[in-house]
Amino acid sequence: EAQVTQNPRYLITVTGKKLTVTCSQNMNHEYMSWYRQDPGLGLRQIYYSMNVEVTDKGDVPEGYKVSRKEKRNFPLILESPSPNQTSLYFCASSRDRGYTDTQYFGPGTRLTVL
Amino acid sequence: QQQVKQSPQSLIVQKGGISIINCAYENTAFDYFPWYQQFPGKGPALLIAIRPDVSEKKEGRFTISFNKSAKQFSLHIMDSQPGDSATYFCAASNEGSSNTGKLIFGQGTTLQVKP
Repeated sequence: EAQVTQNPRYLITVTGKKLTVTCSQNMNHEYMSWYRQDPGLGLRQIYYSMNVEVTDKGDVPEGYKVSRKEKRNFPLILESPSPNQTSLYFCASSRDRGYTDTQYFGPGTRLTVL
Repeated sequence: QQQVKQSPQSLIVQKGGISIINCAYENTAFDYFPWYQQFPGKGPALLIAIRPDVSEKKEGRFTISFNKSAKQFSLHIMDSQPGDSATYFCAASNEGSSNTGKLIFGQGTTLQVKP
């Protein structure tokens, strides 16, 4: 089954404690991205990757890092989480950056930073 | 210029009624307009999409109407059902050569269809 998986699905942490949210896709997609969803703001792109070792900032990259060492994985790293990063996070992938009509989303990770 | 404005924020419709959600954009370079449906606890899933070379696209009970001159597009859900209760997001992107693959999302509309 074609899918994007994220772990963990729920996470409560404290300010400053480094964390990683994993994202993996089994569709051999080149393009992957991270979004955060906040009430009244919709989804906003954090980072994206067009292929292995190729990443770039989206609209709201401050406080986040990513890496793309393998095609299937695109972890989101919060080196020093702060309460304003409390949000619902989605990983997405698509065949290519131009094929936005086939962007598949993961199930989401709800993060709370105390 | 990069914003997509979506309204209403929430919508309550009786079963069998028509649900209408509207979106407006500023960036005339946008050339792809999808709608996503999101159920609680799930990620968004593509529902239907349109490109600006047509004014309307219909898939079952779901129709996108597109007005290029007004820079507006809307989702119509005919014969709305309780199972349609979800959050709907419009989005836009530019698939031109400078495309980063980024979807610009509207703020979302929570639809409740009452039995």
